[in-house]
Amino acid sequence: GEDVEQSLFLSVREGDSSVINCTYTDSSSTYLYWYKQEPGAGLQLLTYIFSNMDMKQDQRLTVLLNKKDKHLSLRIADTQTGDSAIYFCAEVDRGSTLGRLYFGRGTQLTVWP
Amino acid sequence: DTAVSQTPKYLVTQMGNDKSIKCEQNLGHDTMYWYKQDSKKFLKIMFSYNNKELIINETVPNRFSPKSPDKAHLNLHINSLELGDSAVYFCASTPTGLRETQYFGPGTRLLVL
Repeated sequence: GEDVEQSLFLSVREGDSSVINCTYTDSSSTYLYWYKQEPGAGLQLLTYIFSNMDMKQDQRLTVLLNKKDKHLSLRIADTQTGDSAIYFCAEVDRGSTLGRLYFGRGTQLTVWP
Repeated sequence: DTAVSQTPKYLVTQMGNDKSIKCEQNLGHDTMYWYKQDSKKFLKIMFSYNNKELIINETVPNRFSPKSPDKAHLNLHINSLELGDSAVYFCASTPTGLRETQYFGPGTRLLVL
């Protein structure tokens, strides 16, 4: 299977920017995703980026993709306490005909007031 | 108007019992998945069905048997439950698979005593 790595914990102050990093191994990945999981809840799709893009911005979220280094990051501007959650990076297995998602272990983001 | 729903939300049972978890999606999607999230939040795919046909079957004990009565439903039956089956089980769906975003249900929290 594919390897998707993330750091496990990140703490920031409210109002600061958060940057969550992810590395992956499959150079042929087509789509890379960021999901958010709040305590006791399911996974919510935050954003995704296609592999031919370098950057995607969506309101407070900025996704950067460095294909050469196989590095993906999610930047959250003006982080709020409501952003506290686990953030999962995921990639699609391009060799699979039906979109097998490989997840990182998740980064627990804690936002301090 | 829940897109992907699961029942029950919580399930507490004794070792050795047989239990089922149900999943329904009202999005008209062709492909459905079951994922398992362990106590360390690691998410791993278990099964995938496309139009009621089993497509992905990861290395999962044969005590786990998915059943898809129609395109909108994918149920998971577990025989002879073991302590290690305690986890959160997520159902997901996607229109066609490879290039499409997966939408997740809220999860079923299974605790085996």
